[in-house]
Amino acid sequence: AQSVTQPDIHITVSEGASLELRCNYSYGATPYLFWYVQSPGQGLQLLLKYFSGDTLVQGIKGFEAEFKRSQSSFNLRKPSVHWSDAAEYFCAVGAITGGGNKLTFGTGTQLKVEL
Amino acid sequence: SAVISQKPSRDICQRGTSLTIQCQVDSQVTMMFWYRQQPGQSLTLIATANQGSEATYESGFVIDKFPISRPNLTFSTLTVSNMSPEDSSIYLCSVGDGRGYTFGSGTRLTVV
Repeated sequence: AQSVTQPDIHITVSEGASLELRCNYSYGATPYLFWYVQSPGQGLQLLLKYFSGDTLVQGIKGFEAEFKRSQSSFNLRKPSVHWSDAAEYFCAVGAITGGGNKLTFGTGTQLKVEL
Repeated sequence: SAVISQKPSRDICQRGTSLTIQCQVDSQVTMMFWYRQQPGQSLTLIATANQGSEATYESGFVIDKFPISRPNLTFSTLTVSNMSPEDSSIYLCSVGDGRGYTFGSGTRLTVV
């Protein structure tokens, strides 16, 4: 069964500092990987996704993520954080199974940005 | 990508009652998904709803508690039945396949 681990429950960074959110997955084949952001009271917004090809994926809002098969990781990065990036971030792995498709989410990382 | 309209956006309900959440998509989709996000938790898949067949429920979720309808390729409903305070959560619908998923804005349910 697929699973996702986000080891950091909370992260605090200063505005303008760089950011890396960790994500490790477990899946038997090549996974489809996603990062979503959820602002307070809002739904989920897709930041970026990886299916195949270039292991460095660019997303919206200046985010990028790198797929490392050897480490089963898909860490999210941003070179300079803005106060508006404060939100909860979810890593997810997708799978196409015999009965359909499903996403499995990590437990999320709450990002706080200090001004 | 598809645009999803989900309603209600929030509700406060009495225990023992039921609430039906609606999800409307602006295009035809094969599969729709219903998730639950309990306070401070991640998202957990409740069930997958395909048009013309019964929904497929994940472990820990049963049809009697969370009946789902999928009358056509653009619409689905999730009912939370006989509610208790433990059902207080955000419920989200989603559409997509292994290559991408879009989520509704969610229904924030409080059971008192």
